[in-house]
Amino acid sequence: DGGITQSPKYLFRKEGQNVTLSCEQNLNHDAMYWYRQDPGQGLRLIYYSQIVNDFQKGDIAEGYSVSREKKESFPLTVTSAQKNPTAFYLCASSSPGLAGSGELFFGEGSRLTVL
Amino acid sequence: GQQLNQSPQSMFIQEGEDVSMNCTSSSIFNTWLWYKQEPGEGPVLLIALYKAGELTSNGRLTAQFGITRKDSFLNISASIPSDVGIYFCAGRSGAGSYQLTFGKGTKLSVIP
Repeated sequence: DGGITQSPKYLFRKEGQNVTLSCEQNLNHDAMYWYRQDPGQGLRLIYYSQIVNDFQKGDIAEGYSVSREKKESFPLTVTSAQKNPTAFYLCASSSPGLAGSGELFFGEGSRLTVL
Repeated sequence: GQQLNQSPQSMFIQEGEDVSMNCTSSSIFNTWLWYKQEPGEGPVLLIALYKAGELTSNGRLTAQFGITRKDSFLNISASIPSDVGIYFCAGRSGAGSYQLTFGKGTKLSVIP
C-alpha cells in the first residue's frame, strides 16, 4: 500500500543527545515536510523539501537539520541545540497537483520525549 | 507570518447533533484543506477546496470555501462517537506554494 512511514513511533532521549527520525514515502511525491505539534497548538513547519538535494527552513528550523538524498526519504535530526525537543513530530508529502495545489498526506507521527 | 483563527477551540456535543466549525484569516487563500487527527495519529485529509464559493461533501461532512477567500467552514451532520478528534483547517495562499498555514484545531467530543 502507498503511504508515508515514520519511525520510530516513540523515542526517548537524554538531554544533550542528537536523535534522527525517519520518514519514507512510496507515493512518488516530490515534496516532503516536517512539522512539530505541541499540545493545543497547530502544526508548525520545521523544514520542507521540494526536490532531491534541496530543502528550505520553515518557521522553527533552529535546532533541527534535514537531508534529502533520495526522493523517498527525508530524515529529521533533532540536535542538542533544540531547547525544547519534547513533542510530536509529523512528516508529510505532497505532489504539485494542478497549479501547485497539492494536498499534504501525513505519516502517523513520532513522539519524542527528552528525559 | 500568516495566521488562521479557528473556532471553536473545543466542543462537547450529544450524539446525533450537527457540528459547525470555521477558520478565518486576514489574508486571501486559494486552497483550503480540512483534516481530522485522532490521538497519537497523523492528520487525515477530509476535504479539499480550490475555488471561492465551492461547497464539497464527504459523507456527513460538508465544507465550504468562503466567497471572500478568507474563510472556510466545516459542518458535520448527525454526529457519531467516532467523529471524536481534533479537526484542523489549513490554507495555502499562492499557486505553486508548497507551504500550508494551519489553524490550531477544534477538539470535538461526542457524548453518547
